[in-house]
Amino acid sequence: GQSLEQPSEVTAVEGAIVQINCTYQTSGFYGLSWYQQHDGGAPTFLSYNALDGLEETGRFSSFLSRSDSYGYLLLQELQMKDSASYFCAVMDSSYKLIFGSGTRLLVRP
Amino acid sequence: GAVVSQHPSRVICKSGTSVKIECRSLDFQATTMFWYRQFPKQSLMLMATSNEGSKATYEQGVEKDKFLINHASLTLSTLTVTSAHPEDSSFYICSTDPIGAKNIQYFGAGTRLSVL
Repeated sequence: GQSLEQPSEVTAVEGAIVQINCTYQTSGFYGLSWYQQHDGGAPTFLSYNALDGLEETGRFSSFLSRSDSYGYLLLQELQMKDSASYFCAVMDSSYKLIFGSGTRLLVRP
Repeated sequence: GAVVSQHPSRVICKSGTSVKIECRSLDFQATTMFWYRQFPKQSLMLMATSNEGSKATYEQGVEKDKFLINHASLTLSTLTVTSAHPEDSSFYICSTDPIGAKNIQYFGAGTRLSVL
């Protein structure tokens, strides 16, 4: 079957750096995406990796290693507003986006 | 600004009634839209792919006669939950990929359905 594994919860302090890991096992792979979702809100696109390496977008960076079926989202200079759920997602061979179970990030003062 | 507009944001209905949810693409044409369902503290589960001018493609386990999808124009897709039951209570979200990269989807604000 298809699966994407993420930690269920992560807690960090304001100003710190946090890394959210994602390992995947899917039928086909056409890139790894990351989405943020605040409670009661819709997911918003954060980052996308099609090739190995690091993609940086402001305070957020995303990394991919296709040989390890692994990626991570790195959040720097954490702010209180970063408290949300973060989902990794993989495009599979059917061109469907498969989402991970999500990681709830709690940023403390 | 918003790329996708979804209405209503919240609906409460009685068991046995039908509820229609609209998803509109703003300022662009969407030949494909996606409908997801999300239960509290869980992930997004793809229900179906809505294709303009043709039948929707449903995921395994999703009843097409219960969740009617219509994509009659390039800017509007609708999901109708027919004969709703309390177990259908969930957060329904539509999305589309305006730049044609399905990895990068833009979501509507979602509809929280509560069936009494």
